[in-house]
Amino acid sequence: AQKITQTQPGMFVQEKEAVTLDCTYDTSDQSYGLFWYKQPSSGEMIFLIYQGSYDEQNATEGRYSLNFQKARKSANLVISASQLGDSAMYFCAMSPRGFKTIFGAGTRLFVKA
Amino acid sequence: EAQVTQNPRYLITVTGKKLTVTCSQNMNHEYMSWYRQDPGLGLRQIYYSMNVEVTDKGDVPEGYKVSRKEKRNFPLILESPSPNQTSLYFCASSLATGGHGELFFGEGSRLTVL
Repeated sequence: AQKITQTQPGMFVQEKEAVTLDCTYDTSDQSYGLFWYKQPSSGEMIFLIYQGSYDEQNATEGRYSLNFQKARKSANLVISASQLGDSAMYFCAMSPRGFKTIFGAGTRLFVKA
Repeated sequence: EAQVTQNPRYLITVTGKKLTVTCSQNMNHEYMSWYRQDPGLGLRQIYYSMNVEVTDKGDVPEGYKVSRKEKRNFPLILESPSPNQTSLYFCASSLATGGHGELFFGEGSRLTVL
């Protein structure tokens, strides 16, 4: 079955520290995309980062990086130098064949000053 | 400005009263999709469309209908809403398929069915 698991319902991080949000996935497809989205308290969904299943390098976008371990089926999001504005809900998602996108339950991140 | 526009943003209705949530995108995307977000469940896909006149069920299609008569529009129809359809709904579009394109989301429509 296609599934995304985010095991951390909530996390705290000190401002300026790095934080890792966990994501594991399950699919039998060989070609798929992995995504992270941010949902601030205002409610909109913001795309952060993408990793293709055949990409050998981990994706990076500014302070965001995706730690992709294909054999372990994990796609953890690393946020470096956390800022107060990073406080939000974060969703990991997978698109196994491009037609469906499956989301995890989300991790709520709280950044402490 | 590239955007996905949903209307209404907020709606309170009663059981059985048909309603339509509109979705329009101005990015010429072929792929469009509807999701519902419920606490603890993340986002679940209701329906998606690969192109005009091509739609298919997602994971939670019961109680919903869609149509794709024009490339830019993808309305979500609740023929007979029930309280378990109270949720936050998102429309999204994407340029690329095959698992490689990020989703562009509308601002969300919060629906309450009494």
